[in-house]
Amino acid sequence: GAVVSQHPSRVICKSGTSVKIECRSLDFQATTMFWYRQFPKQSLMLMATSNEGSKATYEQGVEKDKFLINHASLTLSTLTVTSAHPEDSSFYICSARTSTVHSGNTIYFGEGSWLTVV
Amino acid sequence: TQLLEQSPQFLSIQEGENLTVYCNSSSVFSSLQWYRQEPGEGPVLLVTVVTGGEVKKLKRLTFQFGDARKDSSLHITAAQPGDTGLYLCAGFRAGNMLTFGGGTRLMVKP
Repeated sequence: GAVVSQHPSRVICKSGTSVKIECRSLDFQATTMFWYRQFPKQSLMLMATSNEGSKATYEQGVEKDKFLINHASLTLSTLTVTSAHPEDSSFYICSARTSTVHSGNTIYFGEGSWLTVV
Repeated sequence: TQLLEQSPQFLSIQEGENLTVYCNSSSVFSSLQWYRQEPGEGPVLLVTVVTGGEVKKLKRLTFQFGDARKDSSLHITAAQPGDTGLYLCAGFRAGNMLTFGGGTRLMVKP
């Protein structure tokens, strides 16, 4: 089946630094990728929708200058948390939608990336 | 306020018991999905329901989509400790964006 890979799976960074998380679709082309944030014991909250070759669409309340999203190719989207602070510590998950339309919507999730800001 | 409301938020039961998780909304969805998530991992898709009134079974799990496509339920028969996890319903809205419910954390004690 289709695989979406995230890297790194865990990262610890110092407050004030920037961290980049990669999301790759390994065996299919993804015209659209989604980024979610999940705090402990909570559900997934959509942060932004990333379309290949265009600017990401951010959900209300998500700072686009803080969470930079780049979708440079059909297999790679990156999320950069700039000037990270401890409150940005969270589990970040990406998902990718296949470019071919089948019956229903097919979305595949990555394994997630734990970010800890100290 | 979440678009999809799940209940209960937390459920702790004994092995062998049955349970039902509900996912409700005032909005109509083209389809609804149910996921199960383990701590520190991405969610894993269990099922997709598309047609109003549809019922799908996956071993001991029974999923139902409401006739009006606004709600769904997940019923687990004879729960086992391996069923422990976070269960999430999610619906597709405009732009193929998947929005998640608040989740139901299930603990099945042996």
